[in-house]
Amino acid sequence: ETGVTQSPTHLIKTRGQQVTLRCSSQSGHNTVSWYQQALGQGPQFIFQYYREEENGRGNFPPRFSGLQFPNYSSELNVNALELDDSALYLCASSLAGGEGANVLTFGAGSRLTVL
Amino acid sequence: GQNIDQPTEMTATEGAIVQINCTYQTSGFNGLFWYQQHAGEAPTFLSYNVLDGLEEKGRFSSFLSRSKGYSYLLLKELQMKDSASYLCAPPLGSASKIIFGSGTRLSIRP
Repeated sequence: ETGVTQSPTHLIKTRGQQVTLRCSSQSGHNTVSWYQQALGQGPQFIFQYYREEENGRGNFPPRFSGLQFPNYSSELNVNALELDDSALYLCASSLAGGEGANVLTFGAGSRLTVL
Repeated sequence: GQNIDQPTEMTATEGAIVQINCTYQTSGFNGLFWYQQHAGEAPTFLSYNVLDGLEEKGRFSSFLSRSKGYSYLLLKELQMKDSASYLCAPPLGSASKIIFGSGTRLSIRP
């Protein structure tokens, strides 16, 4: 059973640029959630994808968007990067329904620095 | 987090017991998760209380009172490796969208 893998692990961008972060969910999981974690803070919910559709969104502007693919992998896209977007971006997969439903398995994260 | 309150930092002694409290708004939440996050690592699942009461899992126990919007995580026989942040996380609505508090950073001293 493979866990959640994210890429890239680290990246540096400049203000105004765009970034795409990728996530492969744990085998058997059909739901992917994305979180932003600033230093010293808890993860902040960005959005969740289920069956390739957005299934709930946190308090993030539209320049944060995402995709889920038929194999349940996912992308997080951020346009017009701002300095405050510098953070650790965590992807978590889970299973909707059944035993162990909704327990999040996190990837190691992608650390984004915006200069 | 979304009206989720837990202490920012706590310190305890190896071998002792510590209780980390969490209060949260009651509307729209269904049960409560606790996650552990070591520095520089991703959060890992500790417990999920869907009903009121105490859930025990080895050295860790978690309690939930949904009507009071209150939970606690109890750690017994503390070990140095328990030094980590502990995140209180109520699911929003359908239980699949999990909202995290800011976390309690627990330091264990010898």
